[in-house]
Amino acid sequence: EPEVTQTPSHQVTQMGQEVILRCVPISNHLYFYWYRQILGQKVEFLVSFYNNEISEKSEIFDDQFSVERPDGSNFTLKIRSTKLEDSAMYFCASSFGQGSGNIQYFGAGTRLSVL
Amino acid sequence: DAKTTQPNSMESNEEEPVHLPCNHSTISGTDYIHWYRQLPSQGPEYVIHGLTSNVNNRMASLAIAEDRKSSTLILHRATLRDAAVYYCILRDVNSGTYKYIFGTGTRLKVLA
Repeated sequence: EPEVTQTPSHQVTQMGQEVILRCVPISNHLYFYWYRQILGQKVEFLVSFYNNEISEKSEIFDDQFSVERPDGSNFTLKIRSTKLEDSAMYFCASSFGQGSGNIQYFGAGTRLSVL
Repeated sequence: DAKTTQPNSMESNEEEPVHLPCNHSTISGTDYIHWYRQLPSQGPEYVIHGLTSNVNNRMASLAIAEDRKSSTLILHRATLRDAAVYYCILRDVNSGTYKYIFGTGTRLKVLA
C-alpha cells in the first residue's frame, strides 16, 4: 500500500539553526500538507500546497517557515531559525484531491527537538 | 468548521466490539464526517468517512444518526493494536478550506 514517507524520524538542532524536514508524498497525489503536534497537544494544521504554491496557511506558519516541492517527488518544510517552541512532531500529509472523497494520508512524522 | 464532542477516554476488552461516539449538533448539510486514529508515536491514520449513509470498510463501520447530529465509529472486535486516540472530524467540502481541524479525540484503552 502506498505511503507517505518522512525523513529524518528525529532531528535534533540548536536554537537559531535552520532545519529542513523532508517528505515523499504518495506518488499520484496533488495536494500536500504539513501539520505539527507539540507533545501532549492537538494536531495543528500548518500549511497546504497545491500546484506549486501555498493554498492555505495557519497563523503558526509565519515568515520563519517555508515549503517547497523541489522536484517531482519531495515536499519539504524549512524552518529558518528554530526556536525552542518549534520542538514538536511534524507530520506531512498528501491527498489526490481536495473534495469529499479525497482523504489525507499522513506520514509517521519527524520529531524535531530544538535545544 | 463545525465542532465535534467526544468522550476523553474509553476502555474496552480485547475481542469485544467498541462503539466510539461523536456529537456534532451544528453539522451542516455539506459536512463530511471523517474518523482518524493516532497510535502512540505515529501520525494520524485514516479510518473511515461518510456523509449520510452508514459506511463499512475493513477497519471499521460508521453509523450516522438520521439527523446527522451524531455518529458512532464501531470497531467490531477490538485488539490491543486498536489502542489509540480516535478523532472525529467534520469537513465541509464547500468551505474552500483544505485542512483538518483535530480536537482532543477519544483515547481508547484495550484491556487484554
